[in-house]
Amino acid sequence: EPEVTQTPSHQVTQMGQEVILRCVPISNHLYFYWYRQILGQKVEFLVSFYNNEISEKSEIFDDQFSVERPDGSNFTLKIRSTKLEDSAMYFCASGETGLIYEQYFGPGTRLTVT
Amino acid sequence: DAKTTQPPSMDCAEGRAANLPCNHSTISGNEYVYWYRQIHSQGPQYIIHGLKNNETNEMASLIITEDRKSSTLILPHATLRDTAVYYCIVRVFFGNAGNMLTFGGGTRLMVKP
Repeated sequence: EPEVTQTPSHQVTQMGQEVILRCVPISNHLYFYWYRQILGQKVEFLVSFYNNEISEKSEIFDDQFSVERPDGSNFTLKIRSTKLEDSAMYFCASGETGLIYEQYFGPGTRLTVT
Repeated sequence: DAKTTQPPSMDCAEGRAANLPCNHSTISGNEYVYWYRQIHSQGPQYIIHGLKNNETNEMASLIITEDRKSSTLILPHATLRDTAVYYCIVRVFFGNAGNMLTFGGGTRLMVKP
């Protein structure tokens, strides 16, 4: 069964550094999402992406964040200058359509900012 | 989107039915009820959804009251692998614009041997 994959599984970085979190969505999917979950807290929506542009974003997704689909298979989340409060699990999801129940989540990347 | 209320935690004996309630008293006529779960820090997983009729799939059943103000997710024969946080989400379907999921606190279900 096809799966969303994410790399790395755990990333440690120093405050102020740039990080890129990578996701490989399911191959025929057209809709892509990033969510994050700070330890012990709720899963929070960051951004959705369709047709090579952002379709929705939350207040969390400020100018420090960007997304890209560089090569037709990967979907990346870049944090330009990490802060301690960016430490969280970041989940990528993809869907063939924009239907809510067709969001398939990856296993997540745990980002630790020191 | 309508607000949902779920108990923070529940226990269930292995092999028994797990009934997880969700209150969504302010739901509007075009809002669907969706259930997702998250097993120990893994990515959330879709379970089932419905508008007003009861629904069943290979994972669970969804019972929605006639006034649609509450619903119950039923796992008919809970296993230890069903231990997870279960989220009830109420959301309008907008179409092909990409639909964000808004997760609340959910119900932490502990299935015990």
